[in-house]
Amino acid sequence: EAQVTQNPRYLITVTGKKLTVTCSQNMNHEYMSWYRQDPGLGLRQIYYSMNVEVTDKGDVPEGYKVSRKEKRNFPLILESPSPNQTSLYFCASHDANTGELFFGEGSRLTVL
Amino acid sequence: GENVEQHPSTLSVQEGDSAVIKCTYSDSASNYFPWYKQELGKGPQLIIDIRSNVGEKKDQRIAVTLNKTAKHFSLHITETQPEDSAVYFCAASKGSNYQLIWGAGTKLIIKP
Repeated sequence: EAQVTQNPRYLITVTGKKLTVTCSQNMNHEYMSWYRQDPGLGLRQIYYSMNVEVTDKGDVPEGYKVSRKEKRNFPLILESPSPNQTSLYFCASHDANTGELFFGEGSRLTVL
Repeated sequence: GENVEQHPSTLSVQEGDSAVIKCTYSDSASNYFPWYKQELGKGPQLIIDIRSNVGEKKDQRIAVTLNKTAKHFSLHITETQPEDSAVYFCAASKGSNYQLIWGAGTKLIIKP
């Protein structure tokens, strides 16, 4: 079954405590991306990766880091989380043949 | 910069009636227009898409129309059912590449 798996699904943390949200896909897609979803703002892209070791900033990259050391994994790193990073985060992988994005189930992050 | 405007933000219709959600885009180079449905607690899923060389596409009860001259596209859902209740997102490609510009979303409520 085609899947994008992200963990944790829910996390409450405190300002400044580094955290990583993992993302893994089993479809052998080259392109992966991270989004955050906030009420009234839709989906905003944080970072994307066109292939292993290739990453680029999206629309709202400040405060985030990513890495792409292998094709299936694309973790999102918050080095020093702040309350304005409280949001619902989605990882997605992209089928280049059809254009379809496959999203994970989401990770709801609260930074106190 | 490029943007996609989506209306309405909330739409409430009687079960069995039709629902229409409209989007307007600004990038004249956009050539791919997907619609995603997000059910509560889940990630968005592609429900239908259209490319710029086509004016209309149908899949059972859902259809998408595209007017390139006016730079707008619409999602039409006929004979609405309770399971159609969700948040719907439109998007437009940034030119012809993988990147998408997202609308802010429409919460569709189907009243029994």
